[in-house]
Formats: sequence, structure tokens, C-alpha cells
Amino acid sequence: AQRVTQPEKLLSVFKGAPVELKCNYSYSGSPELFWYVQYSRQRLQLLLRHISRESIKGFTADLNKGETSFHLKKPFAQEEDSAMYYCALSILTNFGNEKLTFGTGTRLTIIP
Amino acid sequence: DTGVSQNPRHKITKRGQNVTFRCDPISEHNRLYWYRQTLGQGPEFLTYFQNEAQLEKSRLLSDRFSAERPKGSFSTLEIQRTEQGDSAMYLCASSFVSTQYFGPGTRLLVL
Repeated sequence: AQRVTQPEKLLSVFKGAPVELKCNYSYSGSPELFWYVQYSRQRLQLLLRHISRESIKGFTADLNKGETSFHLKKPFAQEEDSAMYYCALSILTNFGNEKLTFGTGTRLTIIP
Repeated sequence: DTGVSQNPRHKITKRGQNVTFRCDPISEHNRLYWYRQTLGQGPEFLTYFQNEAQLEKSRLLSDRFSAERPKGSFSTLEIQRTEQGDSAMYLCASSFVSTQYFGPGTRLLVL
């Protein structure tokens, strides 16, 4: 069965410092990985997905199949980055849908 | 169309009562998902619809839970004989191809 692990429940970083939120997964097939973010009092929203290889709001994430990781990184943290971050793995089921399995999330706090 | 909407946003009920939640997906999204999120956890998949057909159900979805999506538009999730363990945030998401867009959720508290 697939599993997503986010080892840090809480992470505090000073403004301007680099940020790295860790995500490890276990899945025997070819995974598709996502990062979702939830800002205070807002809904869960997609931040980025590995296949798009985009940088969103300065964040990047590289899929490392050897280490089964998909860590989220940003070189210089900003106060507006404070939020809850969820790593998610998508698998294509026999029914043609993509079912998301989420990690438990990391609450990132940027210290001014 | 401002995104996925869910009603009600909050629901407090007594143990043993039935509750029903509604989800309105983004127009033209043929896929609809229900997730449940408890405190300190990420969302957990409950069930999936493609158009009006319910194609997959998680083992988390006990017999007290039923979901429908008549005409392939909005969806309802009903919980019968609620238990305190049903207290959670119930999230709905819709998609057209792959990216799932989430609603604000319905927070259920069972007393």
C-alpha cells in the first residue's frame, strides 16, 4: 500500500532563511507527487506537482526515486509562506481516477 | 463559478442523528471525491465518482455512510446514526483531468 511520510509536524524558519520541508513516500509503481498548501482560514490548494517542474511562489520540489523523496524547498523564506503544507501521492486506479494519499502535514512558521 | 462549494460549513449534531452534506463541484468537472480529515492528520480518501457513477469506496466508508451524485452534478454524503468518532472535517474535491480542486470543507462535531 502507498504511504506518505512528513517527519516534521512543525517547522520554524527565520525570514530570509532557506526552507526545506521533507516528504518521503512508499509506492511500488510510478508515483505522481504533489505539494498542497493551506493558508490560514483558506481551503487546501495545489502548490506544485512534480511532472510540471514549475517553481511556484519560489518553491521547487524534485522527485528523487532512489531516495523515494519529494522535498519542498525555497531559498529565501517570506512571512506569507507561513501555512500548513501537505505532501500527496497520486496513483492511477483501475477505475481511471487518481486517488490522493496525503502525509500528515507540516506547519511552517516564518519568524519575522 | 468560484470553485468547489460545500454546505453546510459547520454541523453540530447529537450522537445517533443523521446528517447530510452537499458538495457542488466546479462546472464541467466529471470527477468528484470525498475525503475525511481528522485532527493532526492529512485528508483520507473516502469515495470517488465519475459523472454519476460511484466507482470506488474506501474501507473507511462504513455502512452508515452513503454518497450519491445524481445527474453527475452535485454530490451528497449522508452519515446515519452518527457516532462521536465521525467528528471530522469532510472535504470534497473535483477534477476534470488530474489536478483536484478542494472545497472549504464541512466540519462535523458529534456530541
